[in-house]
Parts: sequence; C-alpha cells; structure tokens
Amino acid sequence: QSALTQPRSVSGSPGQSVTISCTGTSSDVGGYNYVSWYQLHPGKAPKLMIYDVTKRPSGVPDRFSGSKSGNTASLTISGLQAEDEADYYCCSYAGTYTLLFGGGTKLTVL
Amino acid sequence: EVQLLESGGGLVQPGGSLRLSCVASGFTFNNYAMSWVRQAPGKGLEWVSAISGNGGSTYYADSVKGRFTISRDNSKNTLYLQMNSLRAEDTAVYYCAKSFSIWSGFPYYFDYWGQGTLVTVSS
Repeated sequence: QSALTQPRSVSGSPGQSVTISCTGTSSDVGGYNYVSWYQLHPGKAPKLMIYDVTKRPSGVPDRFSGSKSGNTASLTISGLQAEDEADYYCCSYAGTYTLLFGGGTKLTVL
Repeated sequence: EVQLLESGGGLVQPGGSLRLSCVASGFTFNNYAMSWVRQAPGKGLEWVSAISGNGGSTYYADSVKGRFTISRDNSKNTLYLQMNSLRAEDTAVYYCAKSFSIWSGFPYYFDYWGQGTLVTVSS
C-alpha cells in the first residue's frame, strides 16, 4: 500500500487559515471514517489533533478542524499562530487491521 | 502522567535481529491496545504493528509481516517488538504508541507516543 498523498509544504501568515489535504483511495480514506491527524514538532512526540475525521481530543484548540469528501480528508487550521508551525501527518484505517499514514506536510507560518 | 519509554535500538547488520522494548506507566496498560510506528530518516511516519490489550490479537504492516513479532507482558507493563531478518530499509526511529480508545482491540488512533529509539541497519 502506498502512503496517503499530502502536499509537501503549505504556508500562511499569522491569523490566516490554511488547509492540508490528504488523498487516498476508496480502500482507506474514502472507505472508513477512521481518519486522524498528528502534529509533529522537532524533537517532540507526535500529538493527536483530529480523530474520527472531525473530532478534536480534549485540549486541542477549536482552530483545528477536520473534514472529508470522497477519498480526500482535510485539516484546516484557522487563525494561524506561530506555534502551529510543525509537520502534520494524516492517518487512515486501510482495512484488514492496518493503518496508513500520509507523507507529511510541513506547515510554515510566515 | 502517561509515559512510554522505548529502548533496545542500535546498530545491526543486515540479516540481524534486535528486540525493542517499551515500558509504560501512568495508565492501566492491559486496557489499551498498543502499536509501533517508525520514521525513517527524512521520511514520513509508517505504521508497523499493533497488539490488543490482552495480547491475543496482533497486526502487521505488509512490509514487516513474517519478520517482526509484536508482543506484550502486561505484568511488566512492557511492549516488545522482535525484529528479525533486518534490512537497510528498516532503518528508522521506532516509536511505541498508546491507543486513544480504551478497550479497543485495534488502535485506530494514538494519544501518547514515546520519544523513540533509533534502529540502524548497516554493514
């Protein structure tokens, strides 16, 4: 199975909104609502930001939101802040008890 | 406070073996499925393997099936990954990760991760 497709990089200015896409197939993203997003800061453990496509764990700001249309999931970050600069990975259940991650997207806050 | 501490990484020759350990604390270990996720240098995350809370069910990525074995000792709050027939492409930082959902047989999401242990496969 190939990794889910994410843009290698996105950028935005403080206060703006950015959206990171995650494209898979009907066998993973499109077939299940088990899509999640992780934030990775250098040298720190990954942090779960979104699960079940749209849900936010306790403590994650509501500036972070998730959605899905067909085989593409999206993470939108509104009101960008400097601390949002990080790598973001999507992850999807891919059937037969396997998980598939995206290639990762580097978010730069200008 | 939930803590996951991996160990066992190091340099190994192609075809060799290594066993990783992950000691967990701060939660009821046997209530949660666990997983190993790796990140090769300069690459993205890759899910490797998972195990149910009671250890009765195990799951593997195709890339490691038949070579890696995941297990756990709930009396020691420890997760393991036995890695055999190692290849250069197995070189990565290996993270253990805790399932977000209690009593879920398969960890669809991870709310806590360790700091990782580096495995280098090279002659």
